[in-house]
Amino acid sequence: AQSVSQHNHHVILSEAASLELGCNYSYGGTVNLFWYVQYPGQHLQLLLKYFSGDPLVKGIKGFEAEFIKSKFSFNLRKPSVQWSDTAEYFCAVNTNQAGTALIFGKGTTLSVSS
Amino acid sequence: EAGVTQFPSHSVIEKGQTVTLRCDPISGHDNLYWYRRVMGKEIKFLLHFVKESKQDESGMPNNRFLAERTGGTYSTLKVQPAELEDSGVYFCASSPRTAFVTEAFFGQGTRLTVV
Repeated sequence: AQSVSQHNHHVILSEAASLELGCNYSYGGTVNLFWYVQYPGQHLQLLLKYFSGDPLVKGIKGFEAEFIKSKFSFNLRKPSVQWSDTAEYFCAVNTNQAGTALIFGKGTTLSVSS
Repeated sequence: EAGVTQFPSHSVIEKGQTVTLRCDPISGHDNLYWYRRVMGKEIKFLLHFVKESKQDESGMPNNRFLAERTGGTYSTLKVQPAELEDSGVYFCASSPRTAFVTEAFFGQGTRLTVV
């Protein structure tokens, strides 16, 4: 069965620190990869996605992620975090068929202190 | 454009009672999904509608859960009778029906507490 593993449950950083959140998935076929973010009191929203092509994808708010197929990984990065990045981050995958549901990791809570 | 909306935002009910959650997807989105997050766990898929048809309900935990999408617009998820382990946040998401993969748009979720 497919699964997604997020390595960090809670990450605490100071403003301007660099961020990397790990995500690994288990699935032998072609996958699509997503990072969603949920800011306090708000809905889940898409940060970035990878379907095909350049494995380094850029998303909103300065986030990027790199798909490394050999490692089954899709780590999220940001060179310099801001207080407003405090949120919960979810890695998710689905198979390469239109309409298939997402499989999520457990989420990583990021707390950024100013 | 209105996003995915869910009602209510919070619900506290007693064990054995019935609760109905509602989801209004983005207009024109044929795909509608229900997910649930139990505290401390991952967000888990419950079921998937394409228009009014259940495409995949493999994630529904048991027959106390009933989802409908009459007319292919909004959807309801009824829990009857509710049990303590049903507590969690229920998310709804929608996406357009296309031949290729697209992103899903999520609602704010309904926090259900069964006491």
